[in-house]
Amino acid sequence: AQRVTQPEKLLSVFKGAPVELKCNYSYSGSPELFWYVQYSRQRLQLLLRHISRESIKGFTADLNKGETSFHLKKPFAQEEDSAMYYCALSSGIYNQGGKLIFGQGTELSVKP
Amino acid sequence: GAGVSQSPRYKVAKRGQDVALRCDPISGHVSLFWYQQALGQGPEFLTYFQNEAQLDKSGLPSDRFFAERPEGSVSTLKIQRTQQEDSAVYLCASSLVGDYGYTFGSGTRLTVV
Repeated sequence: AQRVTQPEKLLSVFKGAPVELKCNYSYSGSPELFWYVQYSRQRLQLLLRHISRESIKGFTADLNKGETSFHLKKPFAQEEDSAMYYCALSSGIYNQGGKLIFGQGTELSVKP
Repeated sequence: GAGVSQSPRYKVAKRGQDVALRCDPISGHVSLFWYQQALGQGPEFLTYFQNEAQLDKSGLPSDRFFAERPEGSVSTLKIQRTQQEDSAVYLCASSLVGDYGYTFGSGTRLTVV
């Protein structure tokens, strides 16, 4: 079964500390992996996708197929990073339009 | 429009009442998705449209849920005989075909009392 697991509901760090938001997935095949972010009172938005191997707002994520993980990392957290983060995978099946399966989310709180 | 627009933003329904939630996607976006997000959970897929064709409705929880997109633009999610367990935020998202970078709407928060 396709599943995304984010083991931490809440992650609290101090400003300037490193951050790692964990994501593990279960999928038989080659999934597309994503991180979405929702800032307070804003809509859900795409942060990054593994296929583009980009760094957005200092965040990076590496797909580890051996460990079936896609952890989100940032070396120095900023207060404005406080938000809800969702890991998601897509089956990439064309007639499903790339529907996404989301994890339960991790709330990141960066304290001054 | 500039983004995905959903209305109403909030809806309170009495148990047993029918509701209709509207989504106006970004102009030109062929793909349209509906998701249900219960409190403290991630969004869960409900249904997918490509233009006016509903290609996947595997996530609809019961036959009380019905979605349509008759002209390939605006979509309506209808819930008949609402139950308390239907209380959730209903999210709409649109994208170009083959682009997994969805644009989400702000959602409709449905509360069934």
